[in-house]
Amino acid sequence: GEDVEQSLFLSVREGDSSVINCTYTDSSSTYLYWYKQEPGAGLQLLTYIFSNMDMKQDQRLTVLLNKKDKHLSLRIADTQTGDSAIYFCAEKSTGGFKTIFGAGTRLFVKA
Amino acid sequence: DAMVIQNPRYQVTQFGKPVTLSCSQTLNHNVMYWYQQKSSQAPKLLFHYYDKDFNNEADTPDNFQSRRPNTSFCFLDIRSPGLGDAAMYLCATSSGDPARETQYFGPGTRLLVL
Repeated sequence: GEDVEQSLFLSVREGDSSVINCTYTDSSSTYLYWYKQEPGAGLQLLTYIFSNMDMKQDQRLTVLLNKKDKHLSLRIADTQTGDSAIYFCAEKSTGGFKTIFGAGTRLFVKA
Repeated sequence: DAMVIQNPRYQVTQFGKPVTLSCSQTLNHNVMYWYQQKSSQAPKLLFHYYDKDFNNEADTPDNFQSRRPNTSFCFLDIRSPGLGDAAMYLCATSSGDPARETQYFGPGTRLLVL
């Protein structure tokens, strides 16, 4: 079945880069997403990538997709304390409405 | 600003007492979703509406129902809440256009069952 896996925790120092990794199993995935969730809040869409792309950059965020290994990563450059949150990787297949989420990676940013 | 609104943000109910959570959207999106998110877990899709068409996930308990009286509003009804139903409930919307298929989430309603 469909599954999305992420490491549970990541700790970085302020100003360093953060890299959050994700693997997925559905080879028909078309959309791959990164969401951010702050305490007590809903999910905020950060960025997404189509499966026919290898990379997408948006200001401090860089998404890399390795389709062969079904591996997705999110790099946050110059990580700030305000980036502390849970980051969810998610995937969706074409034509359907169900999005499968990973369990989330909790990012801690040390000042 | 176009947005997804959930009311209330916090809801306390008693074991077995029916409760309704509300979601509204100003995005004029065709699709509305309800997710359940328990602590430190991924959001789990309960069901979604495409316009008036209701789509239930196979593993969603019968205790959970939904209503969508119009495009803007969608309700989650929990008929007899149990202690295990305490969670954050997230509403989301999407356009329904496969070329622009991203979901926009509301802030969530945290449900506490006493």
